[in-house]
Amino acid sequence: DTAVSQTPKYLVTQMGNDKSIKCEQNLGHDTMYWYKQDSKKFLKIMFSYNNKELIINETVPNRFSPKSPDKAHLNLHINSLELGDSAVYFCASSAGLAGGPGETQYFGPGTRLLVL
Amino acid sequence: AQSVTQLDSHVSVSEGTPVLLRCNYSSSYSPSLFWYVQHPNKGLQLLLKYTSAATLVKGINGFEAEFKKSETSFHLTKPSAHMSDAAEYFCVVSDRTDKLIFGTGTRLQVFP
Repeated sequence: DTAVSQTPKYLVTQMGNDKSIKCEQNLGHDTMYWYKQDSKKFLKIMFSYNNKELIINETVPNRFSPKSPDKAHLNLHINSLELGDSAVYFCASSAGLAGGPGETQYFGPGTRLLVL
Repeated sequence: AQSVTQLDSHVSVSEGTPVLLRCNYSSSYSPSLFWYVQHPNKGLQLLLKYTSAATLVKGINGFEAEFKKSETSFHLTKPSAHMSDAAEYFCVVSDRTDKLIFGTGTRLQVFP
């Protein structure tokens, strides 16, 4: 009964490939997020969705496309992978914007992507 | 714009001694502040959060933090370090859209 789960946990692939990372939350939350953690451990938000609607899009290359089939899932598809995409990608969820600032975000275990 | 500065990239303590991880924030309004912990090769876990209620916030595993508006600080403390506290700690501020803005992290080492 993991609250926020991601698959796969590890992903090793070649430059130029297309890959997807899946995220699911069973907390009944309305808002989901994708964060990227670089090799220096710096975390930065990429996207957020509220009830399947895109809320935040942080100047991420359009090779990255989030997809939310329902409010419990937020997948991340990456086209034409580049070396610089190597990072740990974290999914998170929160009860939603209705809770206002300070709403707790719950993080998944991360997906470690290595592009060769 | 909101930001946080973690003043130490590494902190080393002996087991049983106090822990102090420093964080200063910048915000144009009353902020929501968090501390998250990341153990090696693990996800992020919320330690505690401040959302304009009591300025002294108690979290899990014996950690606490005090919001000091006059000093724009939100330092994390624990009276007695345990080996299992060794991890990366992130000070985080939330903006009005719920976007979390992370500090650069402080790696805590605990020696026996």
